[in-house]
Amino acid sequence: EVQLVESGGGLVQPGGSLRLSCAASGFTFSSYEMNWVRQAPGKGLEWVSYISSSGSTIYYADSVKGRFTISRDNAKNSLYLQMNSLRAEDTAVYYCARVAAAAGYYFDYWGQGTLVTVSS
Amino acid sequence: QSVLTQPPSASGTPGQRVTISCSGSSSNIGSNTVNWYQQLPGTAPKLLIYSNNQRPSGVPDRFSGSKSGTSASLAISGLQSEDEADYYCAAWDDSLNGEVFGGGTKLTVL
Repeated sequence: EVQLVESGGGLVQPGGSLRLSCAASGFTFSSYEMNWVRQAPGKGLEWVSYISSSGSTIYYADSVKGRFTISRDNAKNSLYLQMNSLRAEDTAVYYCARVAAAAGYYFDYWGQGTLVTVSS
Repeated sequence: QSVLTQPPSASGTPGQRVTISCSGSSSNIGSNTVNWYQQLPGTAPKLLIYSNNQRPSGVPDRFSGSKSGTSASLAISGLQSEDEADYYCAAWDDSLNGEVFGGGTKLTVL
């Protein structure tokens, strides 16, 4: 069974840092592209970042470029999001999502999410 | 302001057919496939329709998707109370080099 379990969320002050993790199981993690998607309280979904299966290709949304860093450790079946210079508007539930291996580009599995709250 | 445009709300009575529209541009829907996600209250999003009109296993055939030019739509027939959820369209955007989502449509079953 495919499982994605996020962790690392919590309360952080503006300007602070946080590192999110996504533990993957039930599939060959190293073969799959991954993403982070966030959802502010009461708002819609916002794509944050993409990483290829090898980690060689990375993309970021303009809203987080220069502040967030996506990475992965295929040996540990884990995806990460290092978040620096956090702002109030980064407050959201952060989901990791797997890109399907089949033709086309879509997120076939999502984690349950981890809440990040940026507040003083 | 979302890159893809969806109506904020939709509603229908049990058994009815409802459609949700999603409008984009040449850099996203116009050149890439559209996917739809369903988010039930308090849960993570779930893949509903992929590659414009394909249903993952386990998704009832009451749900269907279509795409034409720079627009797409999700249709739900035989509406049921458990269909009450938020629905999001999404597509890759070649100009932004990232996934873009619609603002979401809250479906209410009256």
